[in-house]
Amino acid sequence: DIQMTQSPASLSASLGETVTIQCQASEDIYSGLAWYQQKPGKSPQLLIYGASSLQDGVPSRFSGSGSGTQYSLKISSMQTEDEGVYFCQQGLKYPLTFGSGTKLEIK
Amino acid sequence: QVTLKESGPGILQPSQTLSLTCSFSGFSLSTYGMCVGWIRQSSGKGLEWLANIWWNDDKYYNPSLKNRLTISKDTSNNQAFLKITNMDTADTATYYCARAGSLEYFDFWGPGTMVTVSS
Repeated sequence: DIQMTQSPASLSASLGETVTIQCQASEDIYSGLAWYQQKPGKSPQLLIYGASSLQDGVPSRFSGSGSGTQYSLKISSMQTEDEGVYFCQQGLKYPLTFGSGTKLEIK
Repeated sequence: QVTLKESGPGILQPSQTLSLTCSFSGFSLSTYGMCVGWIRQSSGKGLEWLANIWWNDDKYYNPSLKNRLTISKDTSNNQAFLKITNMDTADTATYYCARAGSLEYFDFWGPGTMVTVSS
């Protein structure tokens, strides 16, 4: 199975701050990576797919980058509504696997 | 617009079989490239992919659940199903169904259905 390691496990950011979350795959996943945001009591919402493509309706302050085994999600200007837990997911091989999540809070 | 909604028993006893239904609209599982998957999340924990079923009836399962999973679909009624045999307290979780495409990411999710396994 492809292991997905996310970091950090949690972080807090001030309004307007740039936030970066990392995801490392245990092998090359050829940009087969998605990022999700989950708010308390809600289902995950797709933010980024194919490592860097923005899902329709997602604010442009979210961006994804990376290749090979290293990927990152950037929020260019932290907003209150960006609080939540962020997960990465590899879509290259079955079984599909998710990172353990990064909890993002407002400082 | 695409919507999905899960339904299940809510609570069941250890060793019983869990039967989940995903009712969806806004797309068809008979359309080329369409897929529905099941993912679960234990309270406060991460996401675990369980199974996918594709428009052509291809099925993929998480081997960590060995042979306990069966996924199926009813294209005419826009539903997908998941059965998990021999349920244990460790299977207590919120179960989600979600639509996936050819790149194996989930673009629309249902609200989830909570399943508790308890004697």
